[in-house]
Amino acid sequence: GPKVLQIPSHQIIDMGQMVTLNCDPVSNHLYFYWYKQILGQQMEFLVNFYNGKVMEKSKLFKDQFSVERPDGSYFTLKIQPTALEDSAVYFCASSLGGAQDTQYFGPGTRLLVL
Amino acid sequence: GEQVEQLPSSLIVQEGASVLINCSYTDSASVYFPWYKQEPGKRLQFIIDIRSNMERKQTQRLTLLFDKKTKHLSLHITATQPGDSAIYFCSASIDSNNRIFFGDGTQLVVKP
Repeated sequence: GPKVLQIPSHQIIDMGQMVTLNCDPVSNHLYFYWYKQILGQQMEFLVNFYNGKVMEKSKLFKDQFSVERPDGSYFTLKIQPTALEDSAVYFCASSLGGAQDTQYFGPGTRLLVL
Repeated sequence: GEQVEQLPSSLIVQEGASVLINCSYTDSASVYFPWYKQEPGKRLQFIIDIRSNMERKQTQRLTLLFDKKTKHLSLHITATQPGDSAIYFCSASIDSNNRIFFGDGTQLVVKP
């Protein structure tokens, strides 16, 4: 099926530093998502993005988080500054349509904040 | 917000057996229910979905049943194979925004 790519696969950084997680969505998809999964816990929605704008964000999407997709390149999640509780696996997803359309997931980026 | 629960949390079966994974949700506004499977170290892979205007959907060895009244779904996998071993996630989505709420997953192990 369609593949979503994520770069890097792993990232280790010191608390307080900035990190950017990159997602290469399926080429003709228009809707993009980030989810966060802390080890041993449920995967939880962070944000969705369409037409250059955040459509909806959850309470997990702190002020330190931002997303963008400049000029159709990578869809990015930036965390600045990072905190210890940001350590998790971050999954990107994309879908062609919005509501009720299948989301295709990337393999995740494992972020460890020390 | 929406809460999705799955039972059982894990299943171990012999190859060829059938399995049933149950899922319940709380928000009656949820209208779309995709299921995913995740093999160790791999990405979530979409396997089947159902919309709230349907009661049943079948594809190959998967049958998904939906009961809107009880807010309950069940995924039936027949003739299991070792390659079916994975974590299976039930999820629910409200129409307006397509944010997905995931269950905790059911770990299926199929022994050869």
